[in-house]
Amino acid sequence: AQSVSQHNHHVILSEAASLELGCNYSYGGTVNLFWYVQYPGQHLQLLLKYFSGDPLVKGIKGFEAEFIKSKFSFNLRKPSVQWSDTAEYFCAVNARGSARQLTFGSGTQLTVLP
Amino acid sequence: NAGVTQTPKFQVLKTGQSMTLQCAQDMNHEYMSWYRQDPGMGLRLIHYSVGAGITDQGEVPNGYNVSRSTTEDFPLRLLSAAPSQTSVYFCASSSRQEAPTDTQYFGPGTRLTVL
Repeated sequence: AQSVSQHNHHVILSEAASLELGCNYSYGGTVNLFWYVQYPGQHLQLLLKYFSGDPLVKGIKGFEAEFIKSKFSFNLRKPSVQWSDTAEYFCAVNARGSARQLTFGSGTQLTVLP
Repeated sequence: NAGVTQTPKFQVLKTGQSMTLQCAQDMNHEYMSWYRQDPGMGLRLIHYSVGAGITDQGEVPNGYNVSRSTTEDFPLRLLSAAPSQTSVYFCASSSRQEAPTDTQYFGPGTRLTVL
């Protein structure tokens, strides 16, 4: 079975600071990788995903993530955060072809100070 | 399309009561899943379905039942609620046609409190 680790539980940044949230997974086979965002009081929304090709994927709202296979990592980045980025961010993985087996990390709460 | 809808949004139960959380999707997705979200633990899979009439257990199935009589609906039943089931419940769906990315689409959630 796969597992996902998010090492940063709570990150506090000032506006315009750069962001990097760590995500590591463990699984022996081919995986799909996702970052979801949950704004306060709202449901999860897909931020970006990787399944093949260019390991640097770009998502909505200026976010990007880089898949490093040798490190089993899929870190989320944004060069300049905004107050509106305050939310909880979840990294998730599923084994290729297994739509049902989506495994989530514990989440990282990002607080951006104006 | 309404996407994935869930009712109710909020619910308070007493220990031992039963209830059904409703989930519906209008995207003709084959796959549907139920997750619970607890602080510091992310989302954990409760039950899932790969099509009408087919369900299976996820990571934390105890205390929950599901059925899938139609493609659109995937209700989650709590037969005898316990305080440990206090959580936020999310329903999700995805389409086989989106393979291999298998992106899941989430509903707005149901916040359940068991006293």
